[in-house]
Amino acid sequence: EAGVTQFPSHSVIEKGQTVTLRCDPISGHDNLYWYRRVMGKEIKFLLHFVKESKQDESGMPNNRFLAERTGGTYSTLKVQPAELEDSGVYFCASSHLLIGGYEQYFGPGTRLTVT
Amino acid sequence: AQKVTQAQTEISVVEKEDVTLDCVYETRDTTYYLFWYKQPPSGELVFLIRRNSFDEQNEISGRYSWNFQKSTSSFNFTITASQVVDSAVYFCALRVHNTDKLIFGTGTRLQVFP
Repeated sequence: EAGVTQFPSHSVIEKGQTVTLRCDPISGHDNLYWYRRVMGKEIKFLLHFVKESKQDESGMPNNRFLAERTGGTYSTLKVQPAELEDSGVYFCASSHLLIGGYEQYFGPGTRLTVT
Repeated sequence: AQKVTQAQTEISVVEKEDVTLDCVYETRDTTYYLFWYKQPPSGELVFLIRRNSFDEQNEISGRYSWNFQKSTSSFNFTITASQVVDSAVYFCALRVHNTDKLIFGTGTRLQVFP
């Protein structure tokens, strides 16, 4: 079974540009999460989807970030316009709604560098 | 407020040494869950263990063991007879009841030298 995949693995953009990150959860997982780790700091929660609905978006830093999950499958996280402080590693995770308890399975992350 | 502290930023050991990674958590909730994840050089976070707040039994899985102590709000992780493949960043995380989000510590980078 394929794990959580994320694309791209690395993105370098200039301040003011737009970037879209993609996450494909494990097949059948209704829960999808986005987290971010800024250099040297803790991994911080951004938001949580249950299927296509946003369950909790309390961690989204500001309105430059837009997350979508159309059809309840893959998700995208768009940053527009990007700022220097947006640099970091963006992780996606998924879990099954009813099975498996509370383990979240993480992807390898997308390293975003804003110059 | 909830918080996880991993005071050890980096630890270096020589192969076959035992090493303990510390994790201290803060929460006022009585029902919560604690996790450890491993981040190898490939980047993904690999789930290692989950404990709930009502189960203070220590757990052993091969060379890995976990010591959960509510009295000190700690959930420490010990690797016995460390190996080079154990080199990674290890994250401790907390999840409180009725939420799904994980609250992570800053991670501990473990380097095991041959």
